[in-house]
Amino acid sequence: DTAVSQTPKYLVTQMGNDKSIKCEQNLGHDTMYWYKQDSKKFLKIMFSYNNKELIINETVPNRFSPKSPDKAHLNLHINSLELGDSAVYFCASSPPGDGAFFGQGTRLTVV
Amino acid sequence: SQQGEEDPQALSIQEGENATMNCSYKTSINNLQWYRQNSGRGLVHLILIRSNEREKHSGRLRVTLDTSKKSSSLLITASRAADTASYFCGTSSNTGKLIFGQGTTLQVKP
Repeated sequence: DTAVSQTPKYLVTQMGNDKSIKCEQNLGHDTMYWYKQDSKKFLKIMFSYNNKELIINETVPNRFSPKSPDKAHLNLHINSLELGDSAVYFCASSPPGDGAFFGQGTRLTVV
Repeated sequence: SQQGEEDPQALSIQEGENATMNCSYKTSINNLQWYRQNSGRGLVHLILIRSNEREKHSGRLRVTLDTSKKSSSLLITASRAADTASYFCGTSSNTGKLIFGQGTTLQVKP
């Protein structure tokens, strides 16, 4: 059973398109995150949700909109995709005060 | 904002040798966590050390934390080729953020 699953694993799309990445966790965790990993492997936190409520928004362009329909899901919608959005996006979840579980990542390529 | 910075950025050793990676951070933390990332995969949690702890062990891993210097180290003893990966330290604070640095890429040659 996959603890944190993201779909799709790969996403190739043209500039200006709108796309979504889905994330689901079956661990019962209250906290979920989205991270962006660039080509130099730097992992930058984008958003953090706790029990469906947004608690962290790290100066991410408003073209990025997270949606949490329930505490097991945190989806990421991106409008008007730009070349600079190309990266690997990771979803993660964690219990209070303990380590996080990461999904396998979604490699987004904007052409 | 980047919190943790790993050092060195890259490390190459022979199988059987020990590998030491360091992490420095800037602000107060609740705990510090080390993760491994294999190529093309997500991060895997290795070990967590709380701000009131100084040392922790898990198998071949040994982590130290010096809150006065705002630094931590990860030691992998008797390294194996399968330990080849990138290693990240993440810091967790009262804000609920879990922030990472750029990681250390470790190559263990057979």
